[in-house]
This record gives sequence, structure tokens and C-alpha cells, in this order.
Amino acid sequence: GAGVSQTPSNKVTEKGKYVELRCDPISGHTALYWYRQSLGQGPEFLIYFQGTGAADDSGLPNDRFFAVRPEGSVSTLKIQRTERGDSAVYLCASSLTAGGQETQYFGPGTRLLVL
Amino acid sequence: KNEVEQSPQNLTAQEGEFITINCSYSVGISALHWLQQHPGGGIVSLFMLSSGKKKHGRLIATINIQEKHSSLHITASHPRDSAVYICAVKQGAQKLVFGQGTRLTINP
Repeated sequence: GAGVSQTPSNKVTEKGKYVELRCDPISGHTALYWYRQSLGQGPEFLIYFQGTGAADDSGLPNDRFFAVRPEGSVSTLKIQRTERGDSAVYLCASSLTAGGQETQYFGPGTRLLVL
Repeated sequence: KNEVEQSPQNLTAQEGEFITINCSYSVGISALHWLQQHPGGGIVSLFMLSSGKKKHGRLIATINIQEKHSSLHITASHPRDSAVYICAVKQGAQKLVFGQGTRLTINP
């Protein structure tokens, strides 16, 4: 498809488990963003990639969260030792470049539930 | 205080009414976005503004850079406009900072 895709769409896991969330950006988009949206709240920034490198990871809440984008396209957000508070919708967005005037295109999100 | 504040948080109106959602921000920005999120759905970008006004169909967005304020207007509102509308500001070339969203319900 032409848009940003994310898999899985839903993930249920148990406290303490490891999860990986995948984002496929629009082809050719160099900038990729991860956000987290808790119920009833606006999204919050986690990390942003320009190409393969993480240009800003200031939003990652702690060292249990890690993200990679090894070939500059697909990105994986990894969460270790999941906690119930990690339950949220994880959103991915991409833009052609990271310029201030670029539109970000959002994926449908992955709804993570930690039991 | 959040860097991006929206009002109202919830808005219910009758079909056909003129709708205004407000957004105020406290930081320097390179652009402001209005986004739409349907229940269980993804986020769609409606507008990106750095000055002035933009119009798309029944939607109008304005921004006043000096006052650090933007408004989203919907004319002749329709039940299908029911969604959460989110204001987000871009600081430089990096991340978006989001408001908490305004939940709009249009009753037939």
C-alpha cells in the first residue's frame, strides 16, 4: 500500500514480557517518528529517525524502550520487561524529510495491552 | 502547563452548526498541524500552517503567530465530522508536540 503500515494492529502480552512493534514508512520517506498515545490523551513523542540514525530519542521513557531502523526504512520499537503502564497505542509516522514544513503521515497504530 | 493547550476538551453540537476549536501554544514553532482521529482509527493530517489561513472544503484553519493561537472551524457540521481533533506544533525540524485533543460529537 501507499501509506504507513504498522504491525501488529493489536498486541496483548503479560507483564515482564518482551515485545516488538514494527513500522513500514511510506517508500522514500527519510524521517520516521514513533509516538505513544494513552487513553484520552494526545500522542507523545518517543523517538525520531533521520535515515538510519536516531536523531532525537529524548522521548523514550526509560532504558526498557529501544528502537532501530537499520536500513533506513522499516523501524522496530522494542520494549523489554513490559509493565502495565506501557499499555497504549503506539503510533508511527513518516515524512519525506525532517524539514519544518513537511507533513507527517501516520500509521494506524499498534494497540498494546500489558496484562 | 502543557506547551499546547486546546479548548474545549469536549464539544457536542447539532448538525449544521458552526464549530470552532481553539489551540494555544507557548513555544516557538516552525509549523502547526491540525489532525483528525476517528475512534479506533489512525490520524489524518488536515492542515499544516505557518501563517495566515487555509481552507479545505468545509474546514478552515487560521493561525496568529504573534498571539501563538490557532483555530479550526467547521462550517455546516455533519455527524461524520464527529472525531477527535488534535492540534500539534512542530519545533524546528523535529518532533511534533501535541495538544490533548478535542472530542467533537455532531448529533443529527
